[in-house]
Amino acid sequence: SQELEQSPQSLIVQEGKNLTINCTSSKTLYGLYWYKQKYGEGLIFLMMLQKGGEEKSHEKITAKLDEKKQQSSLHITASQPSHAGIYLCGAVRGTSGSRLTFGEGTQLTVNP
Amino acid sequence: NAGVTQTPKFQVLKTGQSMTLQCAQDMNHEYMSWYRQDPGMGLRLIHYSVGAGITDQGEVPNGYNVSRSTTEDFPLRLLSAAPSQTSVYFCASSYPSDPGDPNTGELFFGEGSRLTVL
Repeated sequence: SQELEQSPQSLIVQEGKNLTINCTSSKTLYGLYWYKQKYGEGLIFLMMLQKGGEEKSHEKITAKLDEKKQQSSLHITASQPSHAGIYLCGAVRGTSGSRLTFGEGTQLTVNP
Repeated sequence: NAGVTQTPKFQVLKTGQSMTLQCAQDMNHEYMSWYRQDPGMGLRLIHYSVGAGITDQGEVPNGYNVSRSTTEDFPLRLLSAAPSQTSVYFCASSYPSDPGDPNTGELFFGEGSRLTVL
């Protein structure tokens, strides 16, 4: 079973709408990464959260890590077609920054 | 900067054939890793390396070998390809943004190598 559960698995929204993607872990997270992937391309780093209650924003994307460090949310405000893609959350495992466990991803479609 | 470069981008193999997926990074990153991405399974770690000469197994290492003779290169070898190894493979490298904490910093990913085993 996946250590990280993402929801929803897929999401279709109208351009301009807000949306939220969730990432839940059964274990306390040391660090939580958010990546975006477009079809056929590599993963683009969005944000990393480490501290309970931490919140980071980049342009119209905001990510939060809850106080217990077991759940993170990614919120997009006023979505645009350029936001479409697969969003993946990843959690640090072990003592090496190379070892990330990823959720299954959330497929986001933004209709113009 | 080239970043993380993977070759080839596409490959078709027959069952039992061997091949090597190449990965090179020009950022002097200590940490490198290989993932495979399958529908409904997300990204799964195959092997990783924390520095030249050091490698270790990830979640799904069977059927794959790696070596790290230089900081720049981290090739992934399939010794006898099987249809179950049909997947998209991603190489990644990273460095700690906090030098005292190896769990910090972002992973830089290559664009992926799409492998089909018939």
